[in-house]
Amino acid sequence: KNQVEQSPQSLIILEGKNCTLQCNYTVSPFSNLRWYKQDTGRGPVSLTIMTFSENTKSNGRYTATLDADTKQSSLHITASQLSDSASYICVVTGESWGKLQFGAGTQVVVTP
Amino acid sequence: GAGVSQSPSNKVTEKGKDVELRCDPISGHTALYWYRQSLGQGLEFLIYFQGNSAPDKSGLPSDRFSAERTGGSVSTLTIQRTQQEDSAVYLCASSLFTGGAYEQYFGPGTRLTVT
Repeated sequence: KNQVEQSPQSLIILEGKNCTLQCNYTVSPFSNLRWYKQDTGRGPVSLTIMTFSENTKSNGRYTATLDADTKQSSLHITASQLSDSASYICVVTGESWGKLQFGAGTQVVVTP
Repeated sequence: GAGVSQSPSNKVTEKGKDVELRCDPISGHTALYWYRQSLGQGLEFLIYFQGNSAPDKSGLPSDRFSAERTGGSVSTLTIQRTQQEDSAVYLCASSLFTGGAYEQYFGPGTRLTVT
């Protein structure tokens, strides 16, 4: 069973609107949680990274939240742009040396 | 500066053939990772190198898969006697150090198709 579950699997939003992606994990012990953006045909690119002591982190129009008690994270995209169309992947590190547990991703499509 | 590069970008091979995939990490990065991404699936860890330590091969799916890292830099992932289920995008990543919150930088991947 995947230890990192993401929802929704996909969503379509209108340009300019906001959206929120969810990530639930069971990885334990927990080291940090990252959100990556993966454009089609490209490798993932890091958006945010949070340790267990952080509960929010922003990167431009992207804001990630973390509740380490409930093992939940969200990624909020504000004022979406066409270039935000991509797969957003939640990644949890449970072991100290950096082995990553990947969610299956949420495919976001922003339409004009 | 240059990021992680991988070659080839696409590889089509016949079932049963061997393939080699190459990864050039960011200069100075001591840690190098290989992942596999199948269609609609999350990334799957394959193998990890850290400096001169023995690699962590715990993610390799079978003994047909192997990887080397020469001189602490370039890495080659070899798949012997390829099967159709090996078709996937193979991603390489490197990081300055391991552990904690050190960032992993990903290459563009090699798309492998086994016919």
